[in-house]
Order: sequence, then structure tokens, then C-alpha cells
Amino acid sequence: QKEVEQNSGPLSVPEGAIASLNCTYSDRGSQSFFWYRQYSGKSPELIMSIYSNGDKEDGRFTAQLNKASQYVSLLIRDSQPSDSATYLCAGGPNSGGSNYKLTFGKGTLLTVNP
Amino acid sequence: DVKVTQSSRYLVKRTGEKVFLECVQDMDHENMFWYRQDPGLGLRLIYFSYDVKMKEKGDIPEGYSVSREKKERFSLILESASTNQTSMYLCASRGDRDEQYFGPGTRLTVT
Repeated sequence: QKEVEQNSGPLSVPEGAIASLNCTYSDRGSQSFFWYRQYSGKSPELIMSIYSNGDKEDGRFTAQLNKASQYVSLLIRDSQPSDSATYLCAGGPNSGGSNYKLTFGKGTLLTVNP
Repeated sequence: DVKVTQSSRYLVKRTGEKVFLECVQDMDHENMFWYRQDPGLGLRLIYFSYDVKMKEKGDIPEGYSVSREKKERFSLILESASTNQTSMYLCASRGDRDEQYFGPGTRLTVT
């Protein structure tokens, strides 16, 4: 059974701080990883993807992947109240198969306090 | 921009009714997915499709069926709705780098 585990949270940080969201996965064959943001009552929105070891930065967001430790993280710098949402981590195998699908974690609720 | 649309944002149906949820994507994606999302249970895959008329069961297919007659459209069918199918239903399509794009969701209530 492929699993993606996330800190259940909730995680609360003050405005302007760095929020750190973590995710571990069980399937060593996973190659592609994604972070989604989901506001209450809305659908998940893709915010970051990462495919190789190391860091990937996009604005205030940095995704980190360590395949040896089977660990993915998302850092949000200068957190804003508008970042308050549930963050979903997802992983998938090598592309190419017609039955490709992602395994999602259950999400971490982040609250940024003004 | 990828666009995934779903036929209804909110739907209320009675127990035993046949329910159709439709999803359309405009990016010529081959793979499409149906999930349901419930508090504490996360996203659970119901069915997915990798081509027209091709479908695969996900983790919780019982009580559901799907139809994909055209590449851009993927329908979820609840043959006889039950109260335990009250949920948020999310459709997604797979992009070129394996990412998934979600539609806005349909919140279904079965009474």
C-alpha cells in the first residue's frame, strides 16, 4: 500500500514567519511530487511540483525533496494570512504508464495569525 | 491555463436517485480522475480513465460507475444514491508533467 504521510497539524505561525510543511512517502518508486493548496470549501490548487533531489524555489515557496530519506517539504517564507489553508502533498511513480495516478496525503491545516 | 469544469457546484438528491456528475477539460489530456473528499479521510480515488472508453477502478469504486465517450468529458454516475455518498466530488485531469488539475468540485448531499 503506497502511503503519503503529512503532519496532521494544525500548524499555526505568526504573520511574516516561515511555515514548514513536511511529508514522507513509502513508495521508493515515487519520482514526482506535488504540493497543493486547498482553501476551505474550494478544490485543491497546484502550487509546486518537484522531480529531482534538492530545492526548488518559486516566489515565497520552496519545495525540498530528499529521495534517500523519502521526504518532501514545503517552506513558505514571509507567511501571510492569505496562506491559511490546507496543504496537500502528493507523490507519483515514473511517468509513462497509462494507469498513472497520484497518492495524496490527508493534508496539513496551516493558520497564519496576523 | 488548464481549465477543468464540473457541471454543478451544489447538488441535492434523494436516496435511490440516479445521479450524473460531469467533468470537462479543455487541454486534450488523456488521463482523468474522479475523487471524493471527506473530512478526516482525505482524497479518495473512485475511478480514473486513461483514454476514451477506457476506465480503471480506484480505491473506492463500489456504488459508482463512469463513462468516457469523448476525450474531454468524464462522467461519474451514482446508480442509486445513498446517504453515505454525501460528499465533495472532485474531478481532475493529468498534465504533461504528471501534475493533476482539479475542477471546482461538486458538493453532493443525498437526503
